[in-house]
Amino acid sequence: EAGVAQSPRYKIIEKRQSVAFWCNPISGHATLYWYQQILGQGPKLLIQFQNNGVVDDSQLPKDRFSAERLKGVDSTLKIQPAKLEDSAVYLCASSSGQGAYTQYFGPGTRLTVL
Amino acid sequence: AQSVAQPEDQVNVAEGNPLTVKCTYSVSGNPYLFWYVQYPNRGLQFLLKYITGDNLVKGSYGFEAEFNKSQTSFHLKKPSALVSDSALYFCAVRVGSGNTGKLIFGQGTTLQVKP
Repeated sequence: EAGVAQSPRYKIIEKRQSVAFWCNPISGHATLYWYQQILGQGPKLLIQFQNNGVVDDSQLPKDRFSAERLKGVDSTLKIQPAKLEDSAVYLCASSSGQGAYTQYFGPGTRLTVL
Repeated sequence: AQSVAQPEDQVNVAEGNPLTVKCTYSVSGNPYLFWYVQYPNRGLQFLLKYITGDNLVKGSYGFEAEFNKSQTSFHLKKPSALVSDSALYFCAVRVGSGNTGKLIFGQGTTLQVKP
C-alpha cells in the first residue's frame, strides 16, 4: 500500500511570508497528525485530526499556524506569517485508529525561513 | 509529567558488535512504547512496539527491544550491527487513550556503526 505523501519536500521563504504544506495519509486511516521537528529534537505534535475533526491542537501556535482536513482525507498546514524559529521539518503521520494506533510517517517538508 | 528520555546523544559501535540504544519512560498506567528510525532527509520509519505480553519484542531489520517495567525502560538492541544501521533513533510513548492518544518522543540517539 502507498505510504503517507507530503509536498513540497523542501521550501525556503523569507520571514513574514506565508507557506502551506500538504499531506495525503495512508488510505483508510482516520487519524492524521502534524508534527514539527526542530533540528536536534524529537518530533512535537502540533495538531491531531480524527476524520475531519480536531482532536488535539493544544501545541499549535494558533496566532500563525492553521490546519484543516475538510473531507477527512488530505490535510493542509499553513503558517502565516512565518518566523525564523519556524525553520524545521514538518512531518505528517497517519494511523488506522485500531490496535496500538501505530503511526506511519511521511517523508516530511524541510522549511527554511530566512 | 509524562515523558521519554534517551540518555545518550550518540552511540558508537563497530560493525558486527551488539548494539544497545537506551530509553526510559515516565507515564501513568501501562505504556504503549515504540521505536522509530530516521535516515537523513527521510521521515520516521516504524521499527517495533510494545503493547503487552512478552517483554522481548522483535521488529524490523533484526532489531528487538526489551521492556522492563521495574526499571521503566525500553532499550533497543541488535545482536550484530551493520554500517547501514547508522541513523537517528527515536523512542516514543503513547499517552492518552483511544483516538485521542498521542505520541511523546525522546530527543533521539544517533547511532554510528563503523566498519
